[in-house]
Amino acid sequence: SQQGEEDPQALSIQEGENATMNCSYKTSINNLQWYRQNSGRGLVHLILIRSNEREKHSGRLRVTLDTSKKSSSLLITASRAADTASYFCATEGNNRLAFGKGNQVVVIP
Amino acid sequence: NAGVTQTPKFQVLKTGQSMTLQCAQDMNHNSMYWYRQDPGMGLRLIYYSASEGTTDKGEVPNGYNVSRLNKREFSLRLESAAPSQTSVYFCASSDLAKNIQYFGAGTRLSVL
Repeated sequence: SQQGEEDPQALSIQEGENATMNCSYKTSINNLQWYRQNSGRGLVHLILIRSNEREKHSGRLRVTLDTSKKSSSLLITASRAADTASYFCATEGNNRLAFGKGNQVVVIP
Repeated sequence: NAGVTQTPKFQVLKTGQSMTLQCAQDMNHNSMYWYRQDPGMGLRLIYYSASEGTTDKGEVPNGYNVSRLNKREFSLRLESAAPSQTSVYFCASSDLAKNIQYFGAGTRLSVL
């Protein structure tokens, strides 16, 4: 069953603005991951945050995890046109990933 | 460094035809996965193989079979294709330590 649920589903922003996406899940997890999918391509791993971590940074990406609320957020700072993609959260449990439905982000140059 | 390679990239089938989607990885990963992606549905796990010689059902296994041919290769077979199997199929692999998955480019399948 679908574990992650992203909110909002679609986001359109100007280049240079920040983009924030949220993800909620239902059961306990080992870790939560975010992936990016460019149009017509496979998914690419962006960042992993473990269940005992609250915040993690990687370049322009910032991920937070609140296990008490079973939610995570992905922030992309200073967005670029190349960030236009769909973004998926995925929760890991039993050596399997359960993906959310995805957030489509369009960055307007 | 090829990563995960899927063949074919595109396929059109008639209802009732069979076909096998091929997947190979060169990262020496233990685990391999097959997903389908439909509009508005995200990725749904069809089958996975935690290690060579084992396979397990995922969320949507009906109508599919898999074979873990060796550590590198994991194939997905549609025995009698149905229009409901029109989708984009992705293969992925990971090592057990981190379960970060690496995806192929996908196979776009249409069943008429």
